[in-house]
Amino acid sequence: DTGVSQNPRHKITKRGQNVTFRCDPISEHNRLYWYRQTLGQGPEFLTYFQNEAQLEKSRLLSDRFSAERPKGSFSTLEIQRTEQGDSAMYLCASSRPGLAANTGELFFGEGSRLTVL
Amino acid sequence: AQKVTQAQTEISVVEKEDVTLDCVYETRDTTYYLFWYKQPPSGELVFLIRRNSFDEQNEISGRYSWNFQKSTSSFNFTITASQVVDSAVYFCALSEAWAGGTSYGKLTFGQGTILTVHP
Repeated sequence: DTGVSQNPRHKITKRGQNVTFRCDPISEHNRLYWYRQTLGQGPEFLTYFQNEAQLEKSRLLSDRFSAERPKGSFSTLEIQRTEQGDSAMYLCASSRPGLAANTGELFFGEGSRLTVL
Repeated sequence: AQKVTQAQTEISVVEKEDVTLDCVYETRDTTYYLFWYKQPPSGELVFLIRRNSFDEQNEISGRYSWNFQKSTSSFNFTITASQVVDSAVYFCALSEAWAGGTSYGKLTFGQGTILTVHP
């Protein structure tokens, strides 16, 4: 397996700009997740896709955040009008279909670090 | 609401020492899953173990062992004979179970414990 791939790895932007992150999951995984991790904290759940359907969104995902997975393969996370509080590591994870998907074992990417100036 | 507490922010040991990482959780669910993940300096979280709330049997995998005690809502992780490569941030996590007793990937993580193993 190639692992979960995230791009870009680092993004520095000015407040008010829009940014987009991309996640390519492991190819046979039908579930995809986005988490956010701030310095010194554990990851926090943002949203979850099964194939192309977005099945759950956290209250952390304000209206400025939108995630898509149009063909059930890669996913994008867009943040509009960025704020300094959006600075964090955005982690993508995927998991296998079938019974193994029920183990909760997630395969994480290395993350996309966002710095908002 | 679910909550996971890892009271130890940082632990520093010398190679070959045993070390235990503590995890205490809160949930109203009767069926739930507990996890440990490792985050090395590269940043990529790596799954170590999953436990469901009905299985209190302790587990050993090589130098790793886990002690699940439902009565104290704890799921502690012990590394025996620690090695420098064990240096990482370790996260305990909790997920609710769907009807039917399965889990999915919406995890509640603790704040993590930074483990440093010195040669």
